[in-house]
Amino acid sequence: DTEVTQTPKHLVMGMTNKKSLKCEQHMGHRAMYWYKQKAKKPPELMFVYSYEKLSINESVPSRFSPECPNSSLLNLHLHALQPEDSALYLCASSGQGGSGNTIYFGEGSWLTVV
Amino acid sequence: TQLLEQSPQFLSIQEGENLTVYCNSSSVFSSLQWYRQEPGEGPVLLVTVVTGGEVKKLKRLTFQFGDARKDSSLHITAAQPGDTGLYLCAGARNYQLIWGAGTKLIIKP
Repeated sequence: DTEVTQTPKHLVMGMTNKKSLKCEQHMGHRAMYWYKQKAKKPPELMFVYSYEKLSINESVPSRFSPECPNSSLLNLHLHALQPEDSALYLCASSGQGGSGNTIYFGEGSWLTVV
Repeated sequence: TQLLEQSPQFLSIQEGENLTVYCNSSSVFSSLQWYRQEPGEGPVLLVTVVTGGEVKKLKRLTFQFGDARKDSSLHITAAQPGDTGLYLCAGARNYQLIWGAGTKLIIKP
């Protein structure tokens, strides 16, 4: 089973709303990731968690707040977003992070900020 | 800075033809992954190549990792309309994936 599950599939939110994206994997992977992807562009790394600790934050604005409640779950809390934050948000996981470990992606959550 | 050059960025060919997509870099990667992505969906892993010179086959798709682990190719034999999609290469370095720009492939019946 190489499945990374993301919910919701689609989310529309206003600029004053607070919402969360959720991600789950049961592959025993110790590294989990959030990526943002705009149309016709490759995914851009936002955050990396390794062994449930935040190890990389790619200078992401504080209106995006990641959380890793346990080794299987990864959340992305959203608050006071801007319309330009509308994108496909991808969760991914890999065996232990680091070189040589394949990264598996979820189906993504389409976010529209109005 | 585009650290992984992927070409061509767009390719439209007839069913039954062969094609090759290339990913080239001046940097060494510990592994390289090929993904296929449909609109509105996450990238789906096709293959991971790890060893320099490695060749992997997935039905009509052949993936090769360069001897120096700086480049890779995807060759599709007898392309079919079902192969239509966006193909992305990504080189692994530490926690990061260095992405190619993607190849949008259209196979016409």
